[in-house]
Amino acid sequence: DVKVTQSSRYLVKRTGEKVFLECVQDMDHENMFWYRQDPGLGLRLIYFSYDVKMKEKGDIPEGYSVSREKKERFSLILESASTNQTSMYLCASSFWVRGANVLTFGAGSRLTVL
Amino acid sequence: AQSVTQLDSQVPVFEEAPVELRCNYSSSVSVYLFWYVQYPNQGLQLLLKYLSGSTLVESINGFEAEFNKSQTSFHLRKPSVHISDTAEYFCAVTGGGGSNYKLTFGKGTLLTVNP
Repeated sequence: DVKVTQSSRYLVKRTGEKVFLECVQDMDHENMFWYRQDPGLGLRLIYFSYDVKMKEKGDIPEGYSVSREKKERFSLILESASTNQTSMYLCASSFWVRGANVLTFGAGSRLTVL
Repeated sequence: AQSVTQLDSQVPVFEEAPVELRCNYSSSVSVYLFWYVQYPNQGLQLLLKYLSGSTLVESINGFEAEFNKSQTSFHLRKPSVHISDTAEYFCAVTGGGGSNYKLTFGKGTLLTVNP
């Protein structure tokens, strides 16, 4: 089974702090994603990466950046955390099946910004 | 652009009753459709997917969904639910061509199974 591991399940940070969320996958997938999940809004794509050092903006990239220096690791960075970034963050990696991009998710990182 | 509408935000049912969670999508290209399930305090797990072929797809735990192209729907059904099916269910769509990296999710349906 593919494993997507998010290093922190729960984090509490203060406004203005720099926050790193780490994600590692063990199945040599090329594509990796960061989503944000909020009640009533579902999942919204922040960034994705289709190769090492490559990244693409999703629907809500403002206030976030990402880093992919190695194939298995995809980091989400909040340069200066704000209270409206309090949320559940979900990382995923994916593989191609008959032209479709099939995602496998990690357990999530719940971030609270005070 | 593609979008997904899950018509019910919450669905309460009694154990052993049938359930249908509704999902409609819009897309200008051919689509691939998914249902994911999220149990409390966990990430999303793939429940089933439609890629091509038979329009009726099944999961290992008794759920099924039918792709209906004319009605642009992909409703999820189970003939008899268990307490353990209590979870949030997300419908998702991805398209062909250059947009198919992106999976667009609905806002979710919380299924609560009561004894």
